[in-house]
Amino acid sequence: AQSVAQPEDQVNVAEGNPLTVKCTYSVSGNPYLFWYVQYPNRGLQFLLKYITGDNLVKGSYGFEAEFNKSQTSFHLKKPSALVSDSALYFCAVRDIDKIIFGKGTRLHILP
Amino acid sequence: DGGITQSPKYLFRKEGQNVTLSCEQNLNHDAMYWYRQDPGQGLRLIYYSQIVNDFQKGDIAEGYSVSREKKESFPLTVTSAQKNPTAFYLCASSMGAGARSDTQYFGPGTRLTVL
Repeated sequence: AQSVAQPEDQVNVAEGNPLTVKCTYSVSGNPYLFWYVQYPNRGLQFLLKYITGDNLVKGSYGFEAEFNKSQTSFHLKKPSALVSDSALYFCAVRDIDKIIFGKGTRLHILP
Repeated sequence: DGGITQSPKYLFRKEGQNVTLSCEQNLNHDAMYWYRQDPGQGLRLIYYSQIVNDFQKGDIAEGYSVSREKKESFPLTVTSAQKNPTAFYLCASSMGAGARSDTQYFGPGTRLTVL
């Protein structure tokens, strides 16, 4: 079965610093990977996805993710964090006819 | 939150009552999904439907029921058999399972509280 793991429950970053939110995956076959963001009391918003091709995927709000096959990772990154980036971030992987979500990482950007 | 609406935003239920959460989409998507979100547990799949008049159980279907009579609508009923229904419920839709890269889009959620 496909799965993703987000090893950090919470990440704290100072405003203006680069941020990384980690995700590792376990799949059979080619992985189809996603990142979503959730602001308080809201639904999830799609950020980006990896299907095939370039290992660096660019998404919304200046976020990007790097697909690394040898390390089975799909870490979310941003060069310069904003306070407004503070939210809950979910990594996810496609499994036949549904998506499997990680448990989420809460990102705090400190002013 | 796109073209997916959920109502109501907040819902209060007395123990022993059934309640129905609404989910409507105008994205012409074939597939629809219901998730439950609890603090620290991420999203758990309750039911999903790939086509009208057909649906499948997810990981935590016990105590819930759904119907898919129209492409646009996928209501979720939380029955009295669900012992701990207090949670945030999220509905999502996608074009369908034909493409493995299929992306799900989410509604704004319904927060259900049992009194």
